[in-house]
This record gives sequence, C-alpha cells and structure tokens, in this order.
Amino acid sequence: DAGVIQSPRHEVTEMGQEVTLRCKPISGHNSLFWYRQTMMRGLELLIYFNNNVPIDDSGMPEDRFSAKMPNASFSTLKIQPSEPRDSAVYFCASRLAYNEQFFGPGTRLTVL
Amino acid sequence: GENVEQHPSTLSVQEGDSAVIKCTYSDSASNYFPWYKQELGKGPQLIIDIRSNVGEKKDQRIAVTLNKTAKHFSLHITETQPEDSAVYFCAAQRGAGSYQLTFGKGTKLSVIP
Repeated sequence: DAGVIQSPRHEVTEMGQEVTLRCKPISGHNSLFWYRQTMMRGLELLIYFNNNVPIDDSGMPEDRFSAKMPNASFSTLKIQPSEPRDSAVYFCASRLAYNEQFFGPGTRLTVL
Repeated sequence: GENVEQHPSTLSVQEGDSAVIKCTYSDSASNYFPWYKQELGKGPQLIIDIRSNVGEKKDQRIAVTLNKTAKHFSLHITETQPEDSAVYFCAAQRGAGSYQLTFGKGTKLSVIP
C-alpha cells in the first residue's frame, strides 16, 4: 500500500490567495483527519470525517478554512483567503474503524 | 477537555544508553495511549501503543509503561541507536469509539554516536 498521499508537499503563496491541500487516504479506511502542526501549538486536529461525513469541525480555526470529502478516496482542505499565520505543516491521517491513525507526509505551507 | 504534558522537550543521549520520555494526562476517561515517532520531513508514525487494561508493553528495544492511578505513561528506549534520533509524541484518547487524539508537545531525541 502506498500509504496516505498528500499533495502538494510544499506550497508557497502570497497573503490573500486561495490554497487547496489534497489528501488520498489509505484504501479501505473509513475515517479521515486533517491536522495542523506548528511549533507553538503542536499537533492540532482541524476536522474529522467518518464515512465521508464531517463529524467534528470544531478545530477549524475560522471560516476561511473549509474541508470536503466528496468520496472515500479524496479529501481537500481549502484556505481562502490565506494569511501568514496559516503557515504550518498540514497533515492528513486515515484509519480503519477504531484502529491506529496513519499519517501522510504532510504539506508545508508558507504564506508570505 | 484532555490535556497531555510531555517531558523533556529535548533529550540527548550517547549511543547505547537508554532514553525515557514521560507524559501525564488529565482526563481519567482516557484509555488509549499511542506513541508516535516523527522524522524530519515526514509524518508521525506509530511505534507502540498501550491500553489502560495493561500496565506495560514491550516491543524489542521499545517499552511503554502506564500508571492509571497517577495518570502518567512513559516511553523507554534501550540500547539507543543514531536512527532513533527523531521527535517523539505521546497522545491520549478516550475509549475505543473515540477519535480525538490529544498530543503532547513532543520530545526531540538526539542520539550521539
């Protein structure tokens, strides 16, 4: 298995631009998570999907952030408009039922 | 909500020595405690986990201990090797049906050859 796939791996954009991060979970997994990692706040859960349905989005910082999961093999995290404080590493993770979470390699986002 | 404290934030050991990382948690309902290893430029990877019906679990050079009464758990790495150098995260989760992993802030382990 290829594991969780994320793209792009690095993204540099200017303040105000729209950013879209993509995730392909492990085939067969029915739960998907988006996390943000910063030095100050560590790993934070942004949103959790179960069977493609958003269950908990309480970690999404603002309305500028949105996430979708149109099918079991694809999810996006969108930031519009982006701000410098959104600079972080964004991870996608997936799991089957209540087993361990498998993390992707992350997308390093830099907003200038 | 759950709060997980992790110490130390950095740890340097000589190759072959042991390393110990400690975590405390606040929610007595938490009963699943995984440990993740994150290498530079990669995502966290599960290395060992323990559930609250077990006091200790070992996998080769890695062991985890859990004290539910005191609400703390520890990661022990014996005979450390340079490839053990990474950032280690502890986490806590409520119940088998839960999804919310609360992570510690991480420990940067450096193994000096």
